[in-house]
Amino acid sequence: NAGVMQNPRHLVRRRGQEARLRCSPMKGHSHVYWYRQLPEEGLKFMVYLQKENIIDESGMPKERFSAEFPKEGPSILRIQQVVRGDSAAYFCASSQLAGDVDTQYFGPGTRLTVL
Amino acid sequence: RKEVEQDPGPFNVPEGATVAFNCTYSNSASQSFFWYRQDCRKEPKLLMSVYSSGNEDGRFTAQLNRASQYISLLIRDSKLSDSATYLCALTGGGNKLTFGTGTQLKVEL
Repeated sequence: NAGVMQNPRHLVRRRGQEARLRCSPMKGHSHVYWYRQLPEEGLKFMVYLQKENIIDESGMPKERFSAEFPKEGPSILRIQQVVRGDSAAYFCASSQLAGDVDTQYFGPGTRLTVL
Repeated sequence: RKEVEQDPGPFNVPEGATVAFNCTYSNSASQSFFWYRQDCRKEPKLLMSVYSSGNEDGRFTAQLNRASQYISLLIRDSKLSDSATYLCALTGGGNKLTFGTGTQLKVEL
């Protein structure tokens, strides 16, 4: 029973390049969330998606960041023209809205380093 | 005022000690509450959900006080393996989790 999977686990990019982070939710989960953890800071919500729909993107930076969760395949967080300030751990979580408590389970994260 | 506040610690305690963490929140409409554990910047792992009636899982007890807007986590008989950062998290008006910055616990021999 695989948990949330993320790849790559580590990603190095030079300034100006694109970063693509992938997340496969737990089996049976149809809700995906992306969080970012900057060095020495707490986890911050970025975006919440269901299949083919963005439900809440209130935490996404206005420019360069986008996310999708297609009908088939993993959820993708895309960062265009990366800058050094994008260096962080990006965690994906998934949930299955069962009952009243929507428990989110986290993947191992992708550590992005921008040179 | 931050939405969720935690004492960053570190709390240094001897093995076998009882330690308690509090977490305060500002949004009275917050709905669901959780404690997560994070080791060395790895992924957060769910420790337990928190209910008004209080809930216990082995050595861990969590409590929610809606009137005073805080949640607590009590760890009894601390083990070396309990050393980690403990994150409180909540949802309010949606499914996104809002996290505290975490409380660091170090259990020593």
